[in-house]
Amino acid sequence: GIQVEQSPPDLILQEGANSTLRCNFSDSVNNLQWFHQNPWGQLINLFYIPSGTKQNGRLSATTVATERYSLLYISSSQTTDSGVYFCAVARISGGYNKLIFGAGTRLAVHP
Amino acid sequence: KAGVTQTPRYLIKTRGQQVTLSCSPISGHRSVSWYQQTPGQGLQFLFEYFSETQRNKGNFPGRFSGRQFSNSRSEMNVSTLELGDSALYLCASSLTGRTSGANVLTFGAGSRLTVL
Repeated sequence: GIQVEQSPPDLILQEGANSTLRCNFSDSVNNLQWFHQNPWGQLINLFYIPSGTKQNGRLSATTVATERYSLLYISSSQTTDSGVYFCAVARISGGYNKLIFGAGTRLAVHP
Repeated sequence: KAGVTQTPRYLIKTRGQQVTLSCSPISGHRSVSWYQQTPGQGLQFLFEYFSETQRNKGNFPGRFSGRQFSNSRSEMNVSTLELGDSALYLCASSLTGRTSGANVLTFGAGSRLTVL
């Protein structure tokens, strides 16, 4: 099956700093989503981005499908950005809604 | 527009018991998926239902089962609970799952199960 690797596993930032989170996947995919899991466990969808670039406020994401990686950029980080960021992928043969998750990047933003 | 609603949010069971978790998808969404999250295994796919039919299934024992009703609400059941079943169970819904853009999964807040 598809392997999903996220890096770095842990990240500590000062408020206001920028960061880049990476997601590598081992096979072509039809679905790629980035999620933020808050301290209460809720997974919040950030981007649906199987290819291309999208921006939403201080967050942006780029997926280069041909090279099998995706990047999540966080600019001017805030303490509320703390939590775990997951990348998840799926491909048609495995079922569109059968997402394979990476292990996540745990982000801590300090004031 | 209401989000994905999961009940109960927290529950404690003992080994050997069974548990039923409920998920109400976003209005109009027809696909419901279930995931298990544990510290050791991370987030793992359990199964997906669409129009009352199980369309995909993950690699879990038969003690884990589910169903979907005609109004798209879904339940999952775990029988003969084991300590290792302690986890956060997350439900997600999407419109259909076969069309780009309609395939965005929206997750509920989860049901946290503790097995003693």
